[in-house]
Amino acid sequence: NAGVMQNPRHLVRRRGQEARLRCSPMKGHSHVYWYRQLPEEGLKFMVYLQKENIIDESGMPKERFSAEFPKEGPSILRIQQVVRGDSAAYFCASSPSLDTDTQYFGPGTRLTVL
Amino acid sequence: GQSLEQPSEVTAVEGAIVQINCTYQTSGFYGLSWYQQHDGGAPTFLSYNGLDGLEETGRFSSFLSRSDSYGYLLLQELQMKDSASYFCAWDNYGQNFVFGPGTRLSVLP
Repeated sequence: NAGVMQNPRHLVRRRGQEARLRCSPMKGHSHVYWYRQLPEEGLKFMVYLQKENIIDESGMPKERFSAEFPKEGPSILRIQQVVRGDSAAYFCASSPSLDTDTQYFGPGTRLTVL
Repeated sequence: GQSLEQPSEVTAVEGAIVQINCTYQTSGFYGLSWYQQHDGGAPTFLSYNGLDGLEETGRFSSFLSRSDSYGYLLLQELQMKDSASYFCAWDNYGQNFVFGPGTRLSVLP
């Protein structure tokens, strides 16, 4: 049973470009969470999605950031017009249902903005 | 607001016992989870307390006191591989998870 998969593992972008981060949850999991982690800091919740629905995006910056979890395919975190401050590790986690106390994390995507 | 506090660093020797505390100020509290993260790695789930009291999982135990808004992770028989960052996380009924700033544990030989 494959775990949570994220790709790419490392992504380098220049300022002003777009970054697309993908997350495939564990098989049978319909809940996806995205987190951002700056160096030497904790995880900051960004957004919680179920298939085709954004449930909670209270942690998402109001501009340039968007997320989706389509009926088919992986969840996508999209960052438009990246700036250096977007450089961070972005982790995706999944869970099978709302009533669960465990999240399973992917290996993360490390975004570097030059 | 919603916040969790943890010590930034803890150091202990192999074979010892260490306790990592977590205090929180939240509303709609549902449960407290603990995660381990090695440098460059992904967080991995360790333990969860939905009720007051102690939960034991092998060498790791976690405790919660809702009345004190306090929890801790207890690591016994420390091993070098336990050197990592440990995060407590508050569970808002699964809607989102608020993570503490993390405690960096260094295990010395």
